[in-house]
Amino acid sequence: AQKITQTQPGMFVQEKEAVTLDCTYDTSDPSYGLFWYKQPSSGEMIFLIYQGSYDQQNATEGRYSLNFQKARKSANLVISASQLGDSAMYFCAITGGSYIPTFGRGTSLIVHP
Amino acid sequence: DTGVSQDPRHKITKRGQNVTFRCDPISEHNRLYWYRQTLGQGPEFLTYFQNEAQLEKSRLLSDRFSAERPKGSFSTLEIQRTEQGDSAMYLCASSSDRKDYGYTFGSGTRLTVV
Repeated sequence: AQKITQTQPGMFVQEKEAVTLDCTYDTSDPSYGLFWYKQPSSGEMIFLIYQGSYDQQNATEGRYSLNFQKARKSANLVISASQLGDSAMYFCAITGGSYIPTFGRGTSLIVHP
Repeated sequence: DTGVSQDPRHKITKRGQNVTFRCDPISEHNRLYWYRQTLGQGPEFLTYFQNEAQLEKSRLLSDRFSAERPKGSFSTLEIQRTEQGDSAMYLCASSSDRKDYGYTFGSGTRLTVV
């Protein structure tokens, strides 16, 4: 069984500032993948970043980086230089041997001008 | 490739009616997933196909729900005798078994049961 916990229902950040969205996970699979998705009000799920459990380095994709701490079972998303368009729901997800992503409840991010 | 397409985008139906949703995955993706998302929640897994075989079904998928992927391409999700509790966003995603990541989602079908 796999589980994702996102403890921050809502986060606020000033435009151009950095923000960290928390994600902790639990899995019995020795090999797994961690994902972050963005869901704007339009409803589509937009893939942001992926981290494999055996990857040596933390993943980065443009302004997005994943702070992967395996011993703590955490996979926090860091968004640098926030933009107004970053306002959305953010979901952390995990896959294991079943290849079926399990999602957390999400964090609502609001970027203030 | 235009990504994952879902049709319709919105559906309003009366309680007790049957509804069917369609998902067209990315053409080279052999894995297809259906999720349900209610307000304030993350997507919840419903069912998973690899090619035409339905390999996994969630306990959320009651006997009023059925999903098919007859030729390993598009998929349909049917809900019979809809209930108000079925009101949700139904999301489809696809992926390839050649990559361990890269789950692409459609824009979803928002169902409202009145």
